Amino acid sequence: DTEVTQTPKHLVMGMTNKKSLKCEQHMGHRAMYWYKQKAKKPPELMFVYSYEKLSINESVPSRFSPECPNSSLLNLHLHALQPEDSALYLCASSQDQSKTQYFGPGTRLLVL
Amino acid sequence: QKEVEQDPGPLSVPEGAIVSLNCTYSNSAFQYFMWYRQYSRKGPELLMYTYSSGNKEDGRFTAQVDKSSKYISLFIRDSQPSDSATYLCAMSAISGGYNKLIFGAGTRLAVHP
Repeated sequence: DTEVTQTPKHLVMGMTNKKSLKCEQHMGHRAMYWYKQKAKKPPELMFVYSYEKLSINESVPSRFSPECPNSSLLNLHLHALQPEDSALYLCASSQDQSKTQYFGPGTRLLVL
Repeated sequence: QKEVEQDPGPLSVPEGAIVSLNCTYSNSAFQYFMWYRQYSRKGPELLMYTYSSGNKEDGRFTAQVDKSSKYISLFIRDSQPSDSATYLCAMSAISGGYNKLIFGAGTRLAVHP
């Protein structure tokens, strides 16, 4: 089983809203990732968690706040987003930071 | 120059054709080579993964890596309309214990009946 699940599938939010994206995997993977993907572009890495600790932040604005409550869950908290933050947000996981990554279906976010 | 170059297409072929998708790269440190398939509005799905030069076959798909030329390919035999998707090549090297993926731009493939 190489399934990574993400909720919600779609999200529309205003610039003053606070919302959260959720990612879950039950493969025993110890590395989890957030990516952002704009239309017709490849995914761009945002954050990497390894063994529930933030190991990489690719200079992401503070309006995006990741959280890893346990080894199976990864959240991305959103606050005061801008319309240009509208994109497909992808979660991925891997056995550890050095192994192949498996992606979830993504959350399509629209910021109005 | 980008680290990974991939022709974005679109590539349109008739059903049953052999499709060849290609990427070139400049970083000789890359050790791992992957192909992901992404359907419209879905997440990327890992298709093929290899870490050595040569060919790797899985059903209708063959991944080819030529490290000396810094060139990788994905061949799809007997292409089907269900193969219509964007194909992303990705490669990586382990640095500081971390395997960062570098993606190509993605090639949009359309297989028409």
